[in-house]
Amino acid sequence: DQQVKQNSPSLSVQEGRISILNCDYTNSMFDYFLWYKKYPAEGPTFLISISSIKDKNEDGRFTVFLNKSAKHLSLHIVPSQPGDSAVYFCAASTGETSGSRLTFGEGTQLTVNP
Amino acid sequence: NAGVMQNPRHLVRRRGQEARLRCSPMKGHSHVYWYRQLPEEGLKFMVYLQKENIIDESGMPKERFSAEFPKEGPSILRIQQVVRGDSAAYFCASSRSWGAETQYFGPGTRLLVL
Repeated sequence: DQQVKQNSPSLSVQEGRISILNCDYTNSMFDYFLWYKKYPAEGPTFLISISSIKDKNEDGRFTVFLNKSAKHLSLHIVPSQPGDSAVYFCAASTGETSGSRLTFGEGTQLTVNP
Repeated sequence: NAGVMQNPRHLVRRRGQEARLRCSPMKGHSHVYWYRQLPEEGLKFMVYLQKENIIDESGMPKERFSAEFPKEGPSILRIQQVVRGDSAAYFCASSRSWGAETQYFGPGTRLLVL
């Protein structure tokens, strides 16, 4: 039962354009969402998060949007840079004591072409 | 300010041997999580520990796997009698507290079972 899904295994964009990575979830108990970036042979690096009480959170070039009714979130990167090329994971948590575990999507490989 | 440390970074074991993976959380963090990433998959939660306590081990295989986080020293993930299917990247994360709290990941240990 895949509770967090990233349906696009890969995405390719031109440098300077917008990258939009999507994530869907099924568990309505999730109330905290995170995006991580991962380079090969390294651990995931935290990028940005959003609580379910918000619908948008922005940090520099990165913005996360949350649509609770659709159980959908997206990560926007603008402008995209070649150094952004990595695998991006969406993750979710219930935020409860026993729910501190993160549930991850399968990841989307982003390639930003110069 | 050191991040999450994991060692070894790479570990090769023959079937039937034991594997011990170590994780030192970030300074000031007392919560440790272990995740496993099988080839071509996302990260899957295994276990969540605080000092001297296992809080949630619902993601741990029932046999051969154990984890501890002693009062002193790193957290240890132990795999007894390894099999080829245990080959994966094992990531440790830490956080300052539980709940809706960002988890910071280490670089991972890549286990190869021959």
